[in-house]
Amino acid sequence: DIQMTQSPASLSASLGETVTIECRASEDIYSNLAWYQQKPGNSPQLLIYDANSLADGVPSRFSGSGSGTQYSLKINSLQSEDVASYFCQQYNNYPPMYTFGAGTKLELK
Amino acid sequence: EVKLQQSGDELVRPGASVKMSCKASGYTFTDYAMHWVKQSPGQGLEWIGTIIPLIDTTSYNQKFKGKATLTADKSSNTAYMELSRLTSEDSAVYYCARGTGSSFDYWGQGVMVTVSS
Repeated sequence: DIQMTQSPASLSASLGETVTIECRASEDIYSNLAWYQQKPGNSPQLLIYDANSLADGVPSRFSGSGSGTQYSLKINSLQSEDVASYFCQQYNNYPPMYTFGAGTKLELK
Repeated sequence: EVKLQQSGDELVRPGASVKMSCKASGYTFTDYAMHWVKQSPGQGLEWIGTIIPLIDTTSYNQKFKGKATLTADKSSNTAYMELSRLTSEDSAVYYCARGTGSSFDYWGQGVMVTVSS
């Protein structure tokens, strides 16, 4: 099975700062990578799919990049409402399998 | 508006089974797969499996084969997941989520399952 290593596990940043979260796959996942935001007590929400496509309604300060085994989520100009946990998720087709990273907890400094 | 409305939280005895529901609205139920995801403090997010309601085909994470059974009722636009032979390891929040192929674009509010005697 493909393993996803997400870093850092936690992150403290100031308002207006740019934040980057990384995910490394144990093998090439061909950009089959999504990012989710989860606020306490809420369900995860899709931010990015196919490594770099912004989901509907997601602010443009969120962006995704990467290829092969290395992927990242960038948040420009951090806002207070971005305080949340963030998860990456990979997909492989045969057999169907979806694997999540362990998550990054983002707090305000 | 797409909405996935899940059934209520459950308190169940060890060894028992539990069946939860996920009612879809705001889209054509048979156009999308429905996935189920487990979230527990110790294990993070885990994909359990998926059902394609149009053709009633299921795929499971090997880890959850024999533990979870996925079904769907096209007449009521509702997906179901039954968990059997529950242990404390099954205490978690369970989400249904609409599949888009490589990701999950809408999620239910979650069902908290507590396994306790």
